[in-house]
Amino acid sequence: EVQLVESGGGLVKPGGPLRLSCAASGFTFSSYSMNWVRQAPGKGLEWVSSIGSSGGSIFYADSVKGRFTLARDNAKNSLYLQMNGLRAEDTAIYYCAREIAAAAGLDYWGQGILVTVSS
Amino acid sequence: QSVLTQPPSLSAAPGQRVTISCSGSSPNIGNNYVSWYQHLPGTAPKLLIYENNKRPSGIPDRFSGSKSGTSATLGISGLQTGDEADYYCTTWDSLNVGRVFGGGTKLTVL
Repeated sequence: EVQLVESGGGLVKPGGPLRLSCAASGFTFSSYSMNWVRQAPGKGLEWVSSIGSSGGSIFYADSVKGRFTLARDNAKNSLYLQMNGLRAEDTAIYYCAREIAAAAGLDYWGQGILVTVSS
Repeated sequence: QSVLTQPPSLSAAPGQRVTISCSGSSPNIGNNYVSWYQHLPGTAPKLLIYENNKRPSGIPDRFSGSKSGTSATLGISGLQTGDEADYYCTTWDSLNVGRVFGGGTKLTVL
């Protein structure tokens, strides 16, 4: 069974850092591109970042470029999102999601983790 | 303002068919696959359609997808109260080099 479990969320002050993790199981992690998608309170889904299966080809939304860094460790079946310079508008539920194939769609999602940026 | 345009809300009666549109442009829908998701508050989004018109295993054939030019459509037939949810389209945008989502459509089954 494919499982994606996010961790590392919580309350952080504006300007502070936070690192999200996504632990994958039930599939060959190193064969799939992975994504982070978020949903701010009362808003729609927003793509944050994606990374290719080998760790290359990393892309970011303009809203997080220069502040967030995406990485993966295929030996540990894990995905990481380092978030720096957090802003109130980064407050959201963050979802880790697997990509079926190149730009084809996101077939498995984690349950999400809440990140709250507030003083 | 989302790159992909969806109607904010739709409503229909149980048993009816509804279509949700997703309008984009050449760099996104026009040249990339579209996928569709059902999202209930507090849960993980569920993939309904990928590669424009393919259904993952376990998704009933009441759900269908199509794409023409720079627009895509999700069809849901035989509406059930359990279909009440937010629905999102998404695709890759070759100009902005990133994935883009529609603003979402809130479906109410009266």
